[in-house]
Amino acid sequence: DSGVTQTPKHLITATGQRVTLRCSPRSGDLSVYWYQQSLDQGLQFLIQYYNGEERAKGNILERFSAQQFPDLHSELNLSSLELGDSALYFCASSAIGSTEAFFGQGTRLTVV
Amino acid sequence: QQQVKQSPQSLIVQKGGISIINCAYENTAFDYFPWYQQFPGKGPALLIAIRPDVSEKKEGRFTISFNKSAKQFSLHIMDSQPGDSATYFCAASPNYGGSQGNLIFGKGTKLSVKP
Repeated sequence: DSGVTQTPKHLITATGQRVTLRCSPRSGDLSVYWYQQSLDQGLQFLIQYYNGEERAKGNILERFSAQQFPDLHSELNLSSLELGDSALYFCASSAIGSTEAFFGQGTRLTVV
Repeated sequence: QQQVKQSPQSLIVQKGGISIINCAYENTAFDYFPWYQQFPGKGPALLIAIRPDVSEKKEGRFTISFNKSAKQFSLHIMDSQPGDSATYFCAASPNYGGSQGNLIFGKGTKLSVKP
């Protein structure tokens, strides 16, 4: 158990809908990262938050957004969903100055 | 643009053999190179990592070899065991204010160790 908690584990939704994925980082970790894992694109970095502020952006679509709350949990919002958004979404967290990112077990999103 | 290229895509090794997975990177700003192991249904977990000032790092049966001039690094798994069967990802990251979870991953190698 990495200590990073993601909910829900599975999510099935229709095209055009909006969903919110939630992540609780390890206790004390200030950095939260979101990754998308799909068969064709592999593991792709989406976005990083550090202590509530956006720190780095990767290949995140404009339809996707994230935020980190004062209690350090983070949410990834996916809107206007398309079939191609079906993937595993991972959250990871790391401590300040640490080189190790701990991954959660992921949320499997299926868009039908 | 794929910044970290990993090979092979899949690998079958006999129990007790050596598994070798290779990665190449393009961006010379990368300064942290971890390997992650992922079992089905689980998130990736850090296995071993290296920085470019070191040419080799060993932890138990796992060794990273790093060639800075060639911009290549590899994972060697000695005495491979069936329990090592998993997907392995190499990754690279620039130093980003001390936090290095902003990782660029290779496409992964599915390792199967036959008993």
